Amino acid sequence: EMVLTQSPATLSLSPGERATLSCRASQSAGSFLAWYQHKPGQAPRLLIYDASNRATGIPPRFSGSGSGTDFTLTISSLEPEDFAVYYCQQRNNWPPTFGQGTRLEIK
Amino acid sequence: QVQLQESGPGLVKPSETLSLTCNVSGVSISSSSYYWGWIRLTPGKGLEWIGSVLYSGSTYKTPSLKSRVTISLDTSKNLLSLKLRSVTAADTAVYYCSKLRGGYVDYWGQGTLVSVSS
Repeated sequence: EMVLTQSPATLSLSPGERATLSCRASQSAGSFLAWYQHKPGQAPRLLIYDASNRATGIPPRFSGSGSGTDFTLTISSLEPEDFAVYYCQQRNNWPPTFGQGTRLEIK
Repeated sequence: QVQLQESGPGLVKPSETLSLTCNVSGVSISSSSYYWGWIRLTPGKGLEWIGSVLYSGSTYKTPSLKSRVTISLDTSKNLLSLKLRSVTAADTAVYYCSKLRGGYVDYWGQGTLVSVSS
């Protein structure tokens, strides 16, 4: 199955800073990659699908890019509510797989 | 709006069967447009796709769990169900039911913690 490796494992930043999260696939995922945000005790939330499309209601400070094996989630200017765990997920190969997550914490 | 809520025992004994249901509201699970699925979160393996089901009853299961998993729909009650047989401690996880669109999860339940222990 396809392995997704996220980096860094933990990212410490301050509100207002730019966050760049990486997801690397063990084989080509095409453009079939999504990003999710997960806060403790809450349901995860779809942010980005097909590598670069924002899901309904997601603010424009969230953007996704990449194709093939290298993908990036960028948060242009961090808001306090953005500190959470972020996961990538591919749907190009069966079974769908997730990365192990990047924890975005307040510095 | 679309809501999903998991329910079931929080503790299951080793070798027994884990059974969960997911109450879906705000959308009919009989819709031909969507798949419905189960995903779990474990400390060791992170998020793991368990499987998915279409309104027709066709199911798609991850290979590592395929022999132990049953996923089904009860369209009369708008419910999604999961059964995982012969559980071990490695099956301890938070289990999420989900609505799928285009191979991604556009709605998740809140998740329910299931511990496997004697």
